[in-house]
Parts: sequence; C-alpha cells; structure tokens
Amino acid sequence: DAGVTQSPTHLIKTRGQQVTLRCSPKSGHDTVSWYQQALGQGPQFIFQYYEEEERQRGNFPDRFSGHQFPNYSSELNVNALWLGDSALYLCASSLQGAVYQETQYFGPGTRLLVL
Amino acid sequence: RKEVEQDPGPFNVPEGATVAFNCTYSNSASQSFFWYRQDCRKEPKLLMSVYSSGNEDGRFTAQLNRASQYISLLIRDSKLSDSATYLCVVILSSGSARQLTFGSGTQLTVLP
Repeated sequence: DAGVTQSPTHLIKTRGQQVTLRCSPKSGHDTVSWYQQALGQGPQFIFQYYEEEERQRGNFPDRFSGHQFPNYSSELNVNALWLGDSALYLCASSLQGAVYQETQYFGPGTRLLVL
Repeated sequence: RKEVEQDPGPFNVPEGATVAFNCTYSNSASQSFFWYRQDCRKEPKLLMSVYSSGNEDGRFTAQLNRASQYISLLIRDSKLSDSATYLCVVILSSGSARQLTFGSGTQLTVLP
C-alpha cells in the first residue's frame, strides 16, 4: 500500500523564479492538502483540493496556486519566489466522507531553499 | 494571538521520567483535536486523537478540557525513542473542508 509521495525531495531556486511541487496521495485517498513548514514552526495550511477544485485556502497570497488531477495527484505552484518561501512543503492526503476524514497522512515533504 | 499555542520547550528529561505537554486553542468552535509527532527532518505522524473523556495509548495519555480550551499530553516512563517534536493539532470544520491547524510544537529530548 503506497503512502503519500512527493517530488522532488529538495530544490534550490533563486528569488523571482517559479517552482512546481508534486504529490501523489495515499492509495484510496481523494483529498490533498498542502502545508508550509518554516524552520522551528508548525505546518501552516496553504489549501486543500478535492474533486479537482480548491475547497479551502489558508492565509497565503495568490502567488501560491495548485491543481488536482483526475487521478487525485496534485501540484503546488509558487510564483515570484521570495526568500521567505524557503521551507518544508508538506502534502497530506485523506478520504473525503470517511468517518475519520481528518486523519491526514503526510508525505516526506519537499525542502525548498530560495537564494 | 495564535490559534494554537504550545510551550516550545525544549524539554530535556532523563529516561524513565514522566513529562507533560500543554496546548491551548483560541477558537471555541474547534471540533477535533490531535497530537502529532515529528522526528527531525521527517513528516508529522499522527500520535493520537484527543477526546473529552481522556484517552490512553500505552505510555501516552491525552486529555481535552473544552471549557478551558486546553489539551494535554502525558508521556510516562519516557524512552530515548520518544525524542521528537510534539505538535498539537486542532480542526475547525469550515463547510466540508476540515483544515488542520498546528501549534508550533514542543521539542522533547530524552537523555540516557
């Protein structure tokens, strides 16, 4: 049973560039959430995708956008990168409608460094 | 004020000690509560859910006080392998989406 996978594992970009991060949810899951975790902080909710639509969004600017594909995998795009975007980006999957839908399983994350 | 607040620690305790972590949340409409564990440079993993009646899983006991908007985690007979950051998590259901709100985490180091 494959867990949540993310790619790439590490990424280095420069200010102003754009980045795309990818996530494949746990087998059987249909909902994907993205989180940003800065060093020494807890993960912060970016947005959640279900049925290929953004269902809810946290307090992040429009530079952060996403997409969900018919196979439930998802992408996170960040435009015009700032130094402050350097963080661990976590993808979490869950099953909509399950009794314990809030039990989200996290992938290993993508470490993004913006220089 | 942060939505979920935790004492950042670090907590350095000897093996076998009992250690307690506290967490407070600001939104009284919060519905579900969890403790996650995060090892260094790894992803968070669900440790246990937290219920008003209190729940226990081996050496771990979690408690929720809705009136005080307070969550706790007690670890008894701590092991070296318990060294990690413990994240308090609250869910405030917003429509059909259930977004996890994390505290900043409490770092625990269990010393030999």
